[in-house]
Amino acid sequence: QSVLTQPPSVSGAPGQRVTISCTGSSSNIGARHDVHWYQQLPGTAPKVVIYSDRNRPSGVPDRFSGSKSGTSASLAITGLQAEDEADYYCQSFDDRLSGHVFGTGTKVAVL
Amino acid sequence: EVQLVESGGAKINPGGSLRLSCAASGFAFGNFWMNWVRQAPGKGLEWVGRIGPKVRGGTSDYAAPVKDRFTISRDDSKNMVFLQMNSLKTEDTAVYYCTRAAFGFDPWGQGTLVTVSS
Repeated sequence: QSVLTQPPSVSGAPGQRVTISCTGSSSNIGARHDVHWYQQLPGTAPKVVIYSDRNRPSGVPDRFSGSKSGTSASLAITGLQAEDEADYYCQSFDDRLSGHVFGTGTKVAVL
Repeated sequence: EVQLVESGGAKINPGGSLRLSCAASGFAFGNFWMNWVRQAPGKGLEWVGRIGPKVRGGTSDYAAPVKDRFTISRDDSKNMVFLQMNSLKTEDTAVYYCTRAAFGFDPWGQGTLVTVSS
C-alpha cells in the first residue's frame, strides 16, 4: 500500500489545465524530501517530467509545472495535448520506511 | 548518451532464484546511487531497493516486501548493478527497472520481465 496518495484519474479537453495531487505525510513530503514526478506512456519506461519539487528537465515542455506545500505536492499540465495522455506518478523518500516511495498513480485522459 | 540496459528476466517457479543485471554507460557510474523499481502487470510503480556509491559505504536499502529475500550489489569496474532475488513468490511477478538517482530517477532502463508461476 503506497504512502503517497494520488487521484486515480483526471481528464481535460485539449488546451485545458489539469492538476494532479500527491498527498503524503510528515515522514515523507512533510519532512521536506524532494518530490519528483514521472510520466509513463503505455508500454514504456517512466520518464521524469519534474524533479526536486518544481524543476523541469531539459526537453520537457514548460506546460508541466510542479509545486509543494506542507505534506502535499501537485503537478499541473497547462495547454493539455493529446500526447500528454499517460500515467503520472509522484515519488519521494520516507524516513519511517527508510526508502523511496511512489504515489498510487494517476491516469490523465485527454477528452 | 546515458543509458541503462537490464537483462536476466525469465519465467521461474515459486521458491526459485533469479539474478537480474543492469549495464550502465555514458556516466560516472561509481558516483551514483542505483535503484531497482518494479511494476506488476497493470499496477503502479513500486520501489524495490537501492545501493549507494562505494564512497558512501556501498550500503543498500530494501522495501519491506523484498527485505531478506533480495540483494542488490554492484561492480563498478564493469559499470553494472545486480538484483539477486531468492525465495521468489507469485507476487514478485513484474517488470523490473534499473534506474539512477540523479535529478529524480533518471534515466530508466527498458525493463526486464520476471514471471513467477508454476
